[in-house]
Amino acid sequence: ETGVTQSPTHLIKTRGQQVTLRCSSQSGHNTVSWYQQALGQGPQFIFQYYREEENGRGNFPPRFSGLQFPNYSSELNVNALELDDSALYLCASSLGQGAATNEKLFFGSGTQLSVL
Amino acid sequence: LAKTTQPISMDSYEGQEVNITCSHNNIATNDYITWYQQFPSQGPRFIIQGYKTKVTNEVASLFIPADRKSSTLSLPRVSLSDTAVYYCLVGDIGLTGGGNKLTFGTGTQLKVEL
Repeated sequence: ETGVTQSPTHLIKTRGQQVTLRCSSQSGHNTVSWYQQALGQGPQFIFQYYREEENGRGNFPPRFSGLQFPNYSSELNVNALELDDSALYLCASSLGQGAATNEKLFFGSGTQLSVL
Repeated sequence: LAKTTQPISMDSYEGQEVNITCSHNNIATNDYITWYQQFPSQGPRFIIQGYKTKVTNEVASLFIPADRKSSTLSLPRVSLSDTAVYYCLVGDIGLTGGGNKLTFGTGTQLKVEL
C-alpha cells in the first residue's frame, strides 16, 4: 500500500464532456504529480503541484488543469474530452518539492477513463 | 533530456536470475537512476534507486558502471509474481517553471513462467 488513493476507479464519459478525477496523497507529502498512461505505453507526465502551486508541466493542452488542496488532496480536470483522452490516469505523491531527481514517487492505482 | 532505452520484453522461468539493462547515454551529473515495477491496472511501484556502483535492497540489486551510461536491474530467483513491466527512469528537471518531470519509456515486460 502506497497510501495514495484515487477515485473513481473507473469512469465512462462521452466526447465533449468534462471530468474531474481525485487523488488523496500521503499525509505530509507536499508534492503531487499526475500522469496519463495509454494502453501499452509508459506513464506520461501531465503536471505537478507543490503546496498548491503548479511547478511543472508536460506537453498537455490547457484543457488539462489541476488543483491541489491543503489537506493533501488534489484534482485533475479535463475539459472538452476527446477520444484520445481514454487512458489510465495516475497520481503520485512525494515528500519533497518535486525538484530533485531522486525523489521517490508513491503512485495510486489510477482512474481508468473511457471516452466514447 | 536524459532518455532511456531498455528491451521491450524478456522471458524467464521461476527461480532464475533476471537482469534488465537500461541505457541512458545522456545522463546528467545530478541525475539518479530509478526503477519502478508496474502490474496491470495498478500504479508503478518503486523498486530501487542508485547513483553509481552497486545498490542492493531486499527486492533487487542495481549495478551502475563508472560512466553511468547504463544500468542493470538484477532480480534474484524470480517467481510468477514478478511478471510485470519494469521501467528505468533517469531524473529530468522540467523545463517549464521547474519541477521534476520524470520520463517513463515503454518499459520492459517481464514474463516469468513455471
